[in-house]
Amino acid sequence: GESVGLHLPTLSVQEGDNSIINCAYSNSASDYFIWYKQESGKGPQFIIDIRSNMDKRQGQRVTVLLNKTVKHLSLQIAATQPGDSAVYFCAEVNAGGTSYGKLTFGQGTILTVHP
Amino acid sequence: NAGVTQTPKFQVLKTGQSMTLQCAQDMNHNSMYWYRQDPGMGLRLIYYSASEGTTDKGEVPNGYNVSRLNKREFSLRLESAAPSQTSVYFCASSELVNTEAFFGQGTRLTVV
Repeated sequence: GESVGLHLPTLSVQEGDNSIINCAYSNSASDYFIWYKQESGKGPQFIIDIRSNMDKRQGQRVTVLLNKTVKHLSLQIAATQPGDSAVYFCAEVNAGGTSYGKLTFGQGTILTVHP
Repeated sequence: NAGVTQTPKFQVLKTGQSMTLQCAQDMNHNSMYWYRQDPGMGLRLIYYSASEGTTDKGEVPNGYNVSRLNKREFSLRLESAAPSQTSVYFCASSELVNTEAFFGQGTRLTVV
């Protein structure tokens, strides 16, 4: 899914498939990035993070890739399950400079997993 | 372990009324944030406090004020509510600016 327009883009997958959610971040000075999952009626929950001195980080069933050249993040979910259905947001932080501590979110992608 | 607690959970205001949204965290975190989320949209940063004693504007600060009362509490005030401020408001906190942020359950605010 890529960010388009003002409303959230969507990604539909079959259970067991791998999912890739993309995010373009805005600030080339950002040095810390986080992926969050938000289920209906709840606050965002942390999935995985990555610092700017890395280009890949793996967790349980999830991998985050960072391409600083084109300011792009992706979240890969392996063997997607119906419980993974949610809205996924990337977020960026500049831990230095004039916007110290400013945690801003990308547009988000709605992931729907079909059984 | 309560984490981040927001009160109230729901609120209906009339245009022009004022109110304060409360947020408290029990994790001894340094940084706190306020966001709004409109239906089908992402989270937009209203104000943040990188550390106790500091507050800064986010992306959409107009119509809001904040107070970092102490390390635990970060309140958001609407002085004269407008229908455009109808939204779900989330408070969050993080130990440091470059560590994961934890979110409260949100306050659903309707301004009529």
